[in-house]
Amino acid sequence: NAGVTQTPKFRVLKTGQSMTLLCAQDMNHEYMYWYRQDPGMGLRLIHYSVGEGTTAKGEVPDGYNVSRLKKQNFLLGLESAAPSQTSVYFCASSSFGQGSSGANVLTFGAGSRLTVL
Amino acid sequence: AQSVTQLDSHVSVSEGTPVLLRCNYSSSYSPSLFWYVQHPNKGLQLLLKYTSAATLVKGINGFEAEFKKSETSFHLTKPSAHMSDAAEYFCVVSDPGGYQKVTFGIGTKLQVIP
Repeated sequence: NAGVTQTPKFRVLKTGQSMTLLCAQDMNHEYMYWYRQDPGMGLRLIHYSVGEGTTAKGEVPDGYNVSRLKKQNFLLGLESAAPSQTSVYFCASSSFGQGSSGANVLTFGAGSRLTVL
Repeated sequence: AQSVTQLDSHVSVSEGTPVLLRCNYSSSYSPSLFWYVQHPNKGLQLLLKYTSAATLVKGINGFEAEFKKSETSFHLTKPSAHMSDAAEYFCVVSDPGGYQKVTFGIGTKLQVIP
């Protein structure tokens, strides 16, 4: 019963480098999300996906790209990392869409801590 | 538009005393409301949810919250704090219909003093 698994857990990048964060869920959830968590700002939605092959922009999408080639995986990419992208990134999944009457409950991964120097 | 305000960024209580974490929300609809807990270096875990059924909602680990529409509040309470309750707590609002975003509060850090 792994739930949502994120890799890697920690990463240090230099400005301009690229990387990909991987999120995998084994609950057959349709919907997946990437958030970033910064002190004093709560969680902010970067991108989300409502199904395999679909993605959409969230609140703070600039500088990030995503892909959902398989239902169970949701990848977050940074093409050219900047110090402003230093953050803790959380992946989440749910069986209902955000804001649907189904009382969307999110299952979160443990987080990926990214530092950009 | 929806928003959520957690009125305290830090709360400190003694072990065995009551816990009150305050949350006010704004929504144009009849929202769903949630409390999540985040222990250090962990992901967020659902504590409880309100979905327009009973206004007093019971969650895990003895926590409960009461939805008060007239006050637009959804405060989290627990009668007696345990050391293991030390964590960060997030109030979350979600409007129904379509793919509206889920809005998180900025979080309240709960410290439990032995």
